[in-house]
Amino acid sequence: AAGVIQSPRHLIKEKRETATLKCYPIPRHDTVYWYQQGPGQDPQFLISFYEKMQSDKGSIPDRFSAQQFSDYHSELNMSSLELGDSALYFCASSLPRGGGAAGELFFGEGSRLTVL
Amino acid sequence: SQQGEEDPQALSIQEGENATMNCSYKTSINNLQWYRQNSGRGLVHLILIRSNEREKHSGRLRVTLDTSKKSSSLLITASRAADTASYFCATGLQGAQKLVFGQGTRLTINP
Repeated sequence: AAGVIQSPRHLIKEKRETATLKCYPIPRHDTVYWYQQGPGQDPQFLISFYEKMQSDKGSIPDRFSAQQFSDYHSELNMSSLELGDSALYFCASSLPRGGGAAGELFFGEGSRLTVL
Repeated sequence: SQQGEEDPQALSIQEGENATMNCSYKTSINNLQWYRQNSGRGLVHLILIRSNEREKHSGRLRVTLDTSKKSSSLLITASRAADTASYFCATGLQGAQKLVFGQGTRLTINP
């Protein structure tokens, strides 16, 4: 079965550079979520999109932005990168739930960002 | 953590024993979910329990939920070496398109 696809899987950037992560949700999933997980930490919610509109926002820095496109794929743009941005970035998608709370999330394998 | 704590932070047991992990949370919830994560990999959904449910089973997994104490437990019976992973609880909040994760329990099953 198709899973959530994230790219790139690894990237290395210098401080103050920019990075873009891409996420392709499972077909027919209409909600996309982005999480950041530092070493030994729990996943921290950044932002989510439902039907191409931002649906919820967490602890996403102002230097980061994200959007969901007409084909439901999503991109997380990170600018002015800092050493502390080094982390695993996960994208997840979920089936339509018609509102209410989030149900089961299907996670990609993550993009590992290293900022030097 | 944004939502609560998991207990213990690390657990090491022998293969065949049962493993119990606990999770506490702070706000009212719509559902509580448990996920598994192998080192550096994506999270995998294990089980979801709704706020009006008290217990749920799935194979060797048993989850309980006590909304009065804002706590949940995950029991893995007859553990196997392949169960070695980190386990996270996550809460689904009514009207919110997000899950809030706890700090996780690192489980090691010794052969």
